[in-house]
Amino acid sequence: AQSVSQHNHHVILSEAASLELGCNYSYGGTVNLFWYVQYPGQHLQLLLKYFSGDPLVKGIKGFEAEFIKSKFSFNLRKPSVQWSDTAEYFCAVRNAGNMLTFGGGTRLMVKP
Amino acid sequence: AAGVIQSPRHLIKEKRETATLKCYPIPRHDTVYWYQQGPGQDPQFLISFYEKMQSDKGSIPDRFSAQQFSDYHSELNMSSLELGDSALYFCASSLKGAGGEQYFGPGTRLTVT
Repeated sequence: AQSVSQHNHHVILSEAASLELGCNYSYGGTVNLFWYVQYPGQHLQLLLKYFSGDPLVKGIKGFEAEFIKSKFSFNLRKPSVQWSDTAEYFCAVRNAGNMLTFGGGTRLMVKP
Repeated sequence: AAGVIQSPRHLIKEKRETATLKCYPIPRHDTVYWYQQGPGQDPQFLISFYEKMQSDKGSIPDRFSAQQFSDYHSELNMSSLELGDSALYFCASSLKGAGGEQYFGPGTRLTVT
């Protein structure tokens, strides 16, 4: 069975600080990896995804993530966060059957 | 662009009652997924349908059932509701063969009292 773990449950940063959220997965087959963001009271929105090719993927709002196969990791990064990035971030892996398995989420609070 | 529509957005039920949640996928999307997100938890996959047939089954209780109709909308039927069923229920849709990227709806917040 596949699983996803996000090591940081809560992260507090000041504006302009750099962000890196960890995500590790376990799955024996070909993986498709995603990062979703959930703003307070809203639904999940896709930030970025990795299917194949360049392991460094760029998403919306200045986010990027790097797939490192040897480490089973797909960490999310942003060079300079803004107050509006305050949200919960979910890493997810999709199996061959298309179902998504989510990590536990990381709550990011950006202080103005 | 059209998004996934879920109704109702909020629902309050008492224990042992039944509830029906509806999901209308993005036009031309043929696959629908249901997820349950408990308070402070990550979304858990319940069940999915492709072309009106169940394609995957996750941690869906036996008290719940779902189906996808000919217009591709889906309904999640929940019976004998329990307090622990209180959660946000998300529906997502995708187009099979197009990378399968799932687009999520706004969710239905179910409160069982």
